[in-house]
Amino acid sequence: DAGVIQSPRHEVTEMGQEVTLRCKPISGHDYLFWYRQTMMRGLELLIYFNNNVPIDDSGMPEDRFSAKMPNASFSTLKIQPSEPRDSAVYFCASRDSGSSYEQYFGPGTRLTVT
Amino acid sequence: AQSVTQLGSHVSVSEGALVLLRCNYSSSVPPYLFWYVQYPNQGLQLLLKYTSAATLVKGINGFEAEFKKSETSFHLTKPSAHMSDAAEYFCAVSSRGGGADGLTFGKGTHLIIQP
Repeated sequence: DAGVIQSPRHEVTEMGQEVTLRCKPISGHDYLFWYRQTMMRGLELLIYFNNNVPIDDSGMPEDRFSAKMPNASFSTLKIQPSEPRDSAVYFCASRDSGSSYEQYFGPGTRLTVT
Repeated sequence: AQSVTQLGSHVSVSEGALVLLRCNYSSSVPPYLFWYVQYPNQGLQLLLKYTSAATLVKGINGFEAEFKKSETSFHLTKPSAHMSDAAEYFCAVSSRGGGADGLTFGKGTHLIIQP
């Protein structure tokens, strides 16, 4: 299995631009999570999906952030417009509810907003 | 609400010495607890998990942790540190105690191994 795939691995953009982060979960996993990691706040849960349906988006910082999961093998996290304080590493993780409680993390996308 | 406190943002031990990383949790329901390791510029990898079975949990790379309900603790240990153990370690609790939801992480502990 290829594991959780995230793209791009690095993104540098200017303030005000739209940013789209992509995630492909492990095949067969029915949960998908988006986390953000910063030095100041550590690892924070942003949103998670079960069977492609958003379950809890209370961690999404503000309306500039949105996430979608159009099918079981793809999810996006969009920031529009981006701001310098959005600079962070964004992780996607997936989990199979039928086997274990382990969440499998992708390598992350390092976002820099200038 | 769930929360995790990791005591010590940095821990330094000598190679071959005991590793002890501390984690205390707060949960209104029986928790599921996890330890993850993160190497530089990589994602998180699960070391071990407690899911209401045995209180002493063994994980990968020689690590183990003991769930102590009375102390609300889940400390991570390894008898003998190796240089390859140098990394960032995160303790986490599941949001609703049932393991189904997102994880709440501690701030992390950076483990330094002295030669």
